[in-house]
Amino acid sequence: EAEVAQSPRYKITEKSQAVAFWCDPISGHATLYWYRQILGQGPELLVQFQDESVVDDSQLPKDRFSAERLKGVDSTLKIQPAELGDSAMYLCASSLTAGGTYEQYFGPGTRLTVT
Amino acid sequence: TQLLEQSPQFLSIQEGENLTVYCNSSSVFSSLQWYRQEPGEGPVLLVTVVTGGEVKKLKRLTFQFGDARKDSSLHITAAQPGDTGLYLCAGAAAGNKLTFGGGTRVLVKP
Repeated sequence: EAEVAQSPRYKITEKSQAVAFWCDPISGHATLYWYRQILGQGPELLVQFQDESVVDDSQLPKDRFSAERLKGVDSTLKIQPAELGDSAMYLCASSLTAGGTYEQYFGPGTRLTVT
Repeated sequence: TQLLEQSPQFLSIQEGENLTVYCNSSSVFSSLQWYRQEPGEGPVLLVTVVTGGEVKKLKRLTFQFGDARKDSSLHITAAQPGDTGLYLCAGAAAGNKLTFGGGTRVLVKP
């Protein structure tokens, strides 16, 4: 069964350092999402890609966060510099198309701890 | 801004009991999805409901979409410890964007 891959699964970094997360969506899925989830809460959308283009990054803190999906397949989310408040689970999801029932499939996430 | 409110936030029950989780909004959604998430893992899609009034069953889980497509419920019959987890509802709007509720943490004790 096809799955969304993410790495690393866990990351510990010191504040002010740079950190990057990688996501490989389900093959053929044109839409890719990055979410941030604080413990015990629902995921919040950071950025949405349609192929290689950003279609929604309204909630992305652009002073320190950046995301790219250069070839419209895998994607990288970067934080520089990391702050204590960035400690959270970072989830990647993908969906087949921009229409339909919008079913999104999630990867296992990257748990980030900033010390 | 579309908001989804889930209730209760936390539910602790004994194995064999029934439970219901609610998901409410003042907004209309084109579809609504339910996910279950275990600690340290990503959410896993359980079901998608599309039509107002729709009822879907997945073994001991029953999902209902409100007639006006603004609310939904998840009912678990004879809960088992394996049902423990964070249950999330998510409503779909234009642009393939999902709005998630805050989640309901369910603990089923043996």
